[in-house]
Amino acid sequence: GQNIDQPTEMTATEGAIVQINCTYQTSGFNGLFWYQQHAGEAPTFLSYNVLDGLEEKGRFSSFLSRSKGYSYLLLKELQMKDSASYLCAVRDRKIYNQGGKLIFGQGTELSVKP
Amino acid sequence: GAVVSQHPSWVICKSGTSVKIECRSLDFQATTMFWYRQFPKQSLMLMATSNEGSKATYEQGVEKDKFLINHASLTLSTLTVTSAHPEDSSFYICSATPGLAGLNELAQYFGPGTRLLVL
Repeated sequence: GQNIDQPTEMTATEGAIVQINCTYQTSGFNGLFWYQQHAGEAPTFLSYNVLDGLEEKGRFSSFLSRSKGYSYLLLKELQMKDSASYLCAVRDRKIYNQGGKLIFGQGTELSVKP
Repeated sequence: GAVVSQHPSWVICKSGTSVKIECRSLDFQATTMFWYRQFPKQSLMLMATSNEGSKATYEQGVEKDKFLINHASLTLSTLTVTSAHPEDSSFYICSATPGLAGLNELAQYFGPGTRLLVL
């Protein structure tokens, strides 16, 4: 079956660093995505990993280990506006030119305190 | 680049009526569009995948006769909730995958969502 696990909620302090973990067991794998979703809004794309290792984009970094079925999203220099839900999603196989579907985890609700 | 719009953003309707939601990719051609539903405090649940010019592929448990999807062009997909009932009240979100170079063709870009309330 398809299973993606991430913590339900986390709390961190403004200016600090937080790591949100995601483990997955899926029938196919063609990349792992992280999205940010503020309450009442649609998700916005943060990062994408398809090979093992770390991808860095400004204050956000994402890591992938395919052999362990594990990823994390690292947020540095936390700001109050980073309070949101963070969604881990695995894309299954890509068929020809069709986009493979995303399987989402439950999301991690991050609260940034002053 | 990679902007996806949805219309309307809010819908309130009476039970039994049909509601049509439009999803448009504004600055790219979308080879594939996806429709999701999200209930409060829950993650996104994929309803169906649609490719331009072909029938949509529905996820298990999603009634294709109730949720009609039309992907008539590379920039427009529509979801029609037929004979809506209160339990259909939810946040409906579409996403699109570009098929052109210059954008991350592996990413899904989400629309702003449509909040449906059926009375």
